[in-house]
Amino acid sequence: DAGVIQSPRHEVTEMGQEVTLRCKPISGHDYLFWYRQTMMRGLELLIYFNNNVPIDDSGMPEDRFSAKMPNASFSTLKIQPSEPRDSAVYFCASSLGGQTDTQYFGPGTRLTVL
Amino acid sequence: QKEVEQNSGPLSVPEGAIASLNCTYSDRGSQSFFWYRQYSGKSPELIMFIYSNGDKEDGRFTAQLNKASQYVSLLIRDSQPSDSATYLCAVDSSYKLIFGSGTRLLVRP
Repeated sequence: DAGVIQSPRHEVTEMGQEVTLRCKPISGHDYLFWYRQTMMRGLELLIYFNNNVPIDDSGMPEDRFSAKMPNASFSTLKIQPSEPRDSAVYFCASSLGGQTDTQYFGPGTRLTVL
Repeated sequence: QKEVEQNSGPLSVPEGAIASLNCTYSDRGSQSFFWYRQYSGKSPELIMFIYSNGDKEDGRFTAQLNKASQYVSLLIRDSQPSDSATYLCAVDSSYKLIFGSGTRLLVRP
């Protein structure tokens, strides 16, 4: 298996623009997680899905952030409008059995909002 | 108060020494404990997990758990320069996995 795939790997955009991050989980994994990592706040869980259904989005910072999982092999995290404080590395991860099962992380998307 | 605390480091040890990484957590109900390793510019990867009090060994790595003291540690024996990375402690709390901010380990050749 190719592992968790994320695109793009790097994104530079200007404040106010819409940003869409994409993720393909490992085939057969029922759980998908979106994390954000910054120096100040560390690794934070934003939202996770089980069988394509959002289970907990309490980590989503505000309404500017939204996530979807239209099918078992694809998820998106959208930020609209983007702000400089959204600059971070965004990781997608997947697992077979939930948060406390081994999570396999994608390579991440480094987002810079100017 | 942070739920999972780690010393940010860097912890510097010579090659061949034992590196000891520590983590404390606040939720007494936590049952699952994980250590992830993250190389600079890379994504986290799981290296150990432990559920029961005591020690769990896997190769050069030993995880130690003391639920009474709310303390989990990771020992790396015969440290190698390739072990230089940030080590993230993660603890389950209220059905969520909470990550510590990580300890940076430097192994000097």
